[in-house]
Amino acid sequence: GDSVTQMEGPVTLSEEACLTINCTYTATGYPSLFWYVQYPGEGLQLLLKATKADDKGSNKGFEATYRKETTSFHLEKGSVQVSDSAVYFCALSHQGAQKLVFGQGTRLTINP
Amino acid sequence: DVKVTQSSRYLVKRTGEKVFLECVQDMDHENMFWYRQDPGLGLRLIYFSYDVKMKEKGDIPEGYSVSREKKERFSLILESASTNQTSMYLCASARTGFQPQHFGDGTRLSIL
Repeated sequence: GDSVTQMEGPVTLSEEACLTINCTYTATGYPSLFWYVQYPGEGLQLLLKATKADDKGSNKGFEATYRKETTSFHLEKGSVQVSDSAVYFCALSHQGAQKLVFGQGTRLTINP
Repeated sequence: DVKVTQSSRYLVKRTGEKVFLECVQDMDHENMFWYRQDPGLGLRLIYFSYDVKMKEKGDIPEGYSVSREKKERFSLILESASTNQTSMYLCASARTGFQPQHFGDGTRLSIL
């Protein structure tokens, strides 16, 4: 079945550092890929998405590119802020499927 | 903006009680979902519904049931609560299974 694997956390960085959170997936066909973010005490919010190979999703300075050849969707940001501290989830879904498949989440802490 | 509202942020119940968690969405979405979130395990799907009175088991349905009598409301029921059901419960909705999901803020449930 479909699965999503994220790099294990927690990840701790200093403000203005570069961020990469790795995400790889196993799925048949051409799923859509998502990154969700969960700020402390809140539910998940969609951060960005990509629906086909080579698409780049971007939002709030974060980017991720759908790489079919490496089955990856790594999340990147060039300069992180304290306010980016949160848990990040990678997920996929298929056309016609009724549900998302989530990775286990990566906790990110940014220190001033 | 889509609003998904969960009836309680925090709930404390006793072992053996019947517990109801309520979720309401205001965007006429077809699909609604219940997850539980536990440290190190990410999000696990309990049940989902793709139409009124329709329900499908997710990955961990044991000990839970659901009800969807109206399109906007999706209830999660713990028939006889047990301590291993202490968790954060998240409700989500989506226009279709392929579309991004919108999450509520979660209910932190403690079973004593």
